[in-house]
Amino acid sequence: AQSVSQHNHHVILSEAASLELGCNYSYGGTVNLFWYVQYPGQHLQLLLKYFSGDPLVKGIKGFEAEFIKSKFSFNLRKPSVQWSDTAEYFCAVYGSGNTGKLIFGQGTTLQVKP
Amino acid sequence: DVKVTQSSRYLVKRTGEKVFLECVQDMDHENMFWYRQDPGLGLRLIYFSYDVKMKEKGDIPEGYSVSREKKERFSLILESASTNQTSMYLCASTAPLVQPQHFGDGTRLSIL
Repeated sequence: AQSVSQHNHHVILSEAASLELGCNYSYGGTVNLFWYVQYPGQHLQLLLKYFSGDPLVKGIKGFEAEFIKSKFSFNLRKPSVQWSDTAEYFCAVYGSGNTGKLIFGQGTTLQVKP
Repeated sequence: DVKVTQSSRYLVKRTGEKVFLECVQDMDHENMFWYRQDPGLGLRLIYFSYDVKMKEKGDIPEGYSVSREKKERFSLILESASTNQTSMYLCASTAPLVQPQHFGDGTRLSIL
């Protein structure tokens, strides 16, 4: 069965620090990858997505992610975090051939200290 | 912009009650989903539907059922609520094929 693993469950950073959140998936075929963010009290919203093409994907609010097929990874990065980036981040994958089910990782809680 | 509306933000029910959670989307999406979100477990799929009156079990369907009588509305039913169903419930919708899912604000359900 497909799975998604986020290695960091809770990350604490100071403002202006660089961020990298790890995401690994288990599916070996064609994948479509997403990062979602959930700010406190708000609904999940899409940060960025990868379907094909350039493996370096840019999303909203200065986030980017790199798809590395050989490593089954899709890590999320931001060069300089802000206090407003405090949120929970979820990596998710669609595998081709499934019925449209999105498989989510366990989530990473990011706390940015001012 | 896609709007997915869940009927309640907070709900408190008693053990054994039959509980209905409602979700409505305004984008004529074929696919709708119900998840529960628990700390450390991420989002787990309960049920999904790819058309009116169609439903498929997700990863944790036990104790739940769903209803989709109209395209825009997808209901989650807890047949006999139990305390281990206390959780945040999220509804999502998407167009066919591999498009991003759009989520509602969630319903925080407490079963006492």
